[in-house]
Amino acid sequence: AQTVTQSQPEMSVQEAETVTLSCTYDTSESDYYLFWYKQPPSRQMILVIRQEAYKQQNATENRFSVNFQKAAKSFSLKISDSQLGDAAMYFCAYIPNTLGNMLTFGGGTRLMVKP
Amino acid sequence: DAMVIQNPRYQVTQFGKPVTLSCSQTLNHNVMYWYQQKSSQAPKLLFHYYDKDFNNEADTPDNFQSRRPNTSFCFLDIRSPGLGDAAMYLCATSRDAAGGMNGYTFGSGTRLTVV
Repeated sequence: AQTVTQSQPEMSVQEAETVTLSCTYDTSESDYYLFWYKQPPSRQMILVIRQEAYKQQNATENRFSVNFQKAAKSFSLKISDSQLGDAAMYFCAYIPNTLGNMLTFGGGTRLMVKP
Repeated sequence: DAMVIQNPRYQVTQFGKPVTLSCSQTLNHNVMYWYQQKSSQAPKLLFHYYDKDFNNEADTPDNFQSRRPNTSFCFLDIRSPGLGDAAMYLCATSRDAAGGMNGYTFGSGTRLTVV
């Protein structure tokens, strides 16, 4: 069975600083996708960034970037220049690139941003 | 903008009184999902529809049912809500059953309170 683990239930960061959220996963698949979702207090889950397992290059979206270590099955999210609006629950998620498989979420990390 | 819309945003129901939550999408996606999310936890998949094919998760209680009358709409019926069913219910869609690099698109959720 596939599992996704986020070992940090809560993190805090000072505004304008950088923070890294950790995620590890367990799978026997070689072709899959990884995602980070953000869920602000308004509760809509928003896709922040995605990574394709067969791409070695780490994905980047503006202030958000990932450190994808396929052999170590690690997929961390780095938020640079943190802003108050970044405060939210962040969920790491995994899905194999095969029919019939569902998105598997980690337990989430609550990020607090201090002004 | 194409999106996933959930109504109502907040729903209060009485213990044991049937309740229906609705979800619509303008994305023309084939797959629609229902998740239950309790406070500060990861979303838990209840079931999904691939087109008209219904797929129930093994541990989803019989109290939860779903209907998908057409591509755009999907309903979650809770036949006899208990206090433990109070949660946020999230609807999501994906283009196909592989999920793929676009992941899922989520609605804003319906927060259900059982009194």
